[in-house]
Amino acid sequence: SYELTQPLSVSVALGQTARITCGGNNIGSKNVHWYQQKPGQAPVLVIYRDSNRPSGIPERFSGSNSGNTATLTISRAQAGDEADYYCQVWDSSSYVFGTGTKVTVL
Amino acid sequence: EVQLVQSGAEVKKPGESLKISCKGSGYSFTSYWIGWVRQMPGKGLEWMGIIYPGDSDTRYSPSFQGQVTISADKSISTAYLQWSSLKASDTAMYYCVRRSIGGYDTSYYFDYWGQGTLVTVSS
Repeated sequence: SYELTQPLSVSVALGQTARITCGGNNIGSKNVHWYQQKPGQAPVLVIYRDSNRPSGIPERFSGSNSGNTATLTISRAQAGDEADYYCQVWDSSSYVFGTGTKVTVL
Repeated sequence: EVQLVQSGAEVKKPGESLKISCKGSGYSFTSYWIGWVRQMPGKGLEWMGIIYPGDSDTRYSPSFQGQVTISADKSISTAYLQWSSLKASDTAMYYCVRRSIGGYDTSYYFDYWGQGTLVTVSS
């Protein structure tokens, strides 16, 4: 089965840029979607189809996807961005989630 | 406004049966696939299965095939996830999700999530 690997944690200073990676075999050939989950809350879609933002998601959130790595970038990080982030793809009739990354804003 | 409202938390004993629900509103319930996602305590997200309420076409993750049953009643815009015999390892938060439309298989994502139903199985 297809596997998506994310770093366990990423730390970023307030106002700086955080980059969260999602690794998978030839992931660049797939559409990647990203979800944010704050403690005690349901996940929320923040990026769909590699680089598109749903309405209401700040422009500070952006995405890219190439080769074997997709990346979610959070610019000008805020305290409210502290959360777990999950990537997701579709492969072989299954919806696959990444292992998840905890983002800490220092 | 699109909403997925799930039934409340459940506490069950091993071996008991359970059916939890997810009611959709604010959109055409029969036009969107509804899926279920498991999150065990302190762990990540796992896709369990998905149903198209329009014709009840259902697909399961290989990991959950035979372990749960997904169904829907389009007359009341509600999807269900059920177990016939719970195990302690079924203790988790369960989310229903709406799958996006338009595009092709690899482009689909989950655009709306329910608030979650916490299922606790303990003797």
